[in-house]
Amino acid sequence: QVQLVQSGAEVKKPGASVKVSCKASGSTFTNYYIQWVRQAPGQGLEWMGIINPSGGSSTYAQKFQGRVTMTRDTSTTTFYMELRGLRSEDSAVYYCARWVCGGDCYSDSWGQGTQVTVSS
Amino acid sequence: DIQMTQSPSTLSASVGDRVTITCRASQNIDTWLAWYQQKPGKAPNLLIYKASSLYSGVPSRFSGSGSETEFTLTISSLQPDDFATYYCQQYSTYPWTFGQGTKVEIK
Repeated sequence: QVQLVQSGAEVKKPGASVKVSCKASGSTFTNYYIQWVRQAPGQGLEWMGIINPSGGSSTYAQKFQGRVTMTRDTSTTTFYMELRGLRSEDSAVYYCARWVCGGDCYSDSWGQGTQVTVSS
Repeated sequence: DIQMTQSPSTLSASVGDRVTITCRASQNIDTWLAWYQQKPGKAPNLLIYKASSLYSGVPSRFSGSGSETEFTLTISSLQPDDFATYYCQQYSTYPWTFGQGTKVEIK
């Protein structure tokens, strides 16, 4: 069973950038995608994008285009999500989740979440 | 973008009740739909994928149905552990999108 362990909470000022990590263990790194999802306080889930670790190609929600970059480091089996130009509305818990396809596709493992607070 | 609309937003029910949550897509998504359960302060947990496939280890009181634009999640007999918020997610077309959530509360 794959485990996803995310980096710790961050406090950032408006305009700054944040880079959240998601370390994978327990399964072959290139056998699944990683989607990133965020949740603002008291709100629902919002899809940000997805990365294919085999090659590193990513697809982002239009809302985040130009501000987000999803990457991976195959040597450390770690995924990253960087969000730039932070504003108060970006304060949220950010989750990574494995997207596996082996006949059927689904997200069966999630990271514990990383709280990002944007405040002056 | 495909809009996912869940109803109701909040549902009050008692232990043992049969509960149904609806998720409507703004366009045809075939059966590319998942359901998740989320408890406060925790990451979502997968319940159902491909509209009606029960994920391994999920109790059989959970079931999903539907296709194209209309989907339902049913809990046949609500248990104390089931009080939580439930989300649908379509993965037919990028950007993938979630419903706004349905909170199941104790009546």
